[in-house]
Amino acid sequence: NAGVTQTPKFRVLKTGQSMTLLCAQDMNHEYMYWYRQDPGMGLRLIHYSVGEGTTAKGEVPDGYNVSRLKKQNFLLGLESAAPSQTSVYFCASTSRLGYGYTFGSGTRLTVV
Amino acid sequence: RKEVEQDPGPFNVPEGATVAFNCTYSNSASQSFFWYRQDCRKEPKLLMSVYSSGNEDGRFTAQLNRASQYISLLIRDSKLSDSATYLCVVNPGGANNLFFGTGTRLTVIP
Repeated sequence: NAGVTQTPKFRVLKTGQSMTLLCAQDMNHEYMYWYRQDPGMGLRLIHYSVGEGTTAKGEVPDGYNVSRLKKQNFLLGLESAAPSQTSVYFCASTSRLGYGYTFGSGTRLTVV
Repeated sequence: RKEVEQDPGPFNVPEGATVAFNCTYSNSASQSFFWYRQDCRKEPKLLMSVYSSGNEDGRFTAQLNRASQYISLLIRDSKLSDSATYLCVVNPGGANNLFFGTGTRLTVIP
């Protein structure tokens, strides 16, 4: 049982480039989340999904887009990367609201 | 005001010591509470949920005070392996549902 898998684990982008981060979970969880973690800021919610085909904005959605075409996958896109998007990105999922989350191992993104 | 506030530490304690972390939250309607542990360059992992009656899991005890909007984590008989950052997490309700504190860093010294 893999849990939550994120790909890639590391990436360096040039300003203006685009990329997609993939999150896949095999636990049949309804709810999925993308967070970013920056020093001194804690985890901040970017976007989330309450089920297949649904997405919603979190605390810091600007510059990101998401899609949840299949229940097990939640994609995070950066259309035009900026240095301010240098961060560690975590995907998480849960089966029920109010329960704890299972996190993926993270993607370390550097935008130069 | 932040949703969740924690003392960032660091806390440096000797092996075998007892250490306590505190956390306050701003939304009085918050419904569930957790402590997560995060090792350096790793993902957060659920340590324990926090219940109104208080709960214990081995050397770890979590307490919730709804009136004061305060959560605590007590670690007894600290081990070297307890060295990590401890995140206080609050669910204010709804699908957009967990707010994370910035974490308290603990180092247990031999």
